[in-house]
Amino acid sequence: KAGVTQTPRYLIKTRGQQVTLSCSPISGHRSVSWYQQTPGQGLQFLFEYFSETQRNKGNFPGRFSGRQFSNSRSEMNVSTLELGDSALYLCASSLGQGGSYNEQFFGPGTRLTVL
Amino acid sequence: GNSVTQMEGPVTLSEEAFLTINCTYTATGYPSLFWYVQYPGEGLQLLLKATKADDKGSNKGFEATYRKETTSFHLEKGSVQVSDSAVYFCALSDSGGSYIPTFGRGTSLIVHP
Repeated sequence: KAGVTQTPRYLIKTRGQQVTLSCSPISGHRSVSWYQQTPGQGLQFLFEYFSETQRNKGNFPGRFSGRQFSNSRSEMNVSTLELGDSALYLCASSLGQGGSYNEQFFGPGTRLTVL
Repeated sequence: GNSVTQMEGPVTLSEEAFLTINCTYTATGYPSLFWYVQYPGEGLQLLLKATKADDKGSNKGFEATYRKETTSFHLEKGSVQVSDSAVYFCALSDSGGSYIPTFGRGTSLIVHP
């Protein structure tokens, strides 16, 4: 079974631009979560989508948004990029909505560099 | 709010040494606890988990026991290998209706031959 895939793997943007990242979950998984990983802040939860609805949201500004399509694929968008948005963005999928018993499977991430 | 504290790395060991990576947490309610591993250039992989007090999670020679009295979930392995070199993350998830996972900062493990 194919794992979680993320595209693109690497991205370079300049301040003020916007970016869209894509995540394809494992077949049959309906939940997709997004995380930001930086050396300074570690791994931080952005949001979770389940059945095309945002179910949970972390403490990030409104410039960070996402959506999920009917085939469970998800996109994350960051508008008006700032230097501090440079990070590894990880996507994780699970069978059901997040919770104690739903193991998450992570993709390899998209490395975003903002210049 | 919830939080997870891990020992800072890097932890440097020789092959076949005993490994302990400390993890303590604060949480409301009764969270589930996890250890994830991240190899260079890859995403996180679930290593083991425990969902209630006194549960022991184990996988690939790694073990961790959910200690509610000390709010700890320390990762141990009796004999590490070079291939265990990676970053290890302790994490918890709320047992309530809202699932917002909390991760530790990660501990880098370097194993020398």
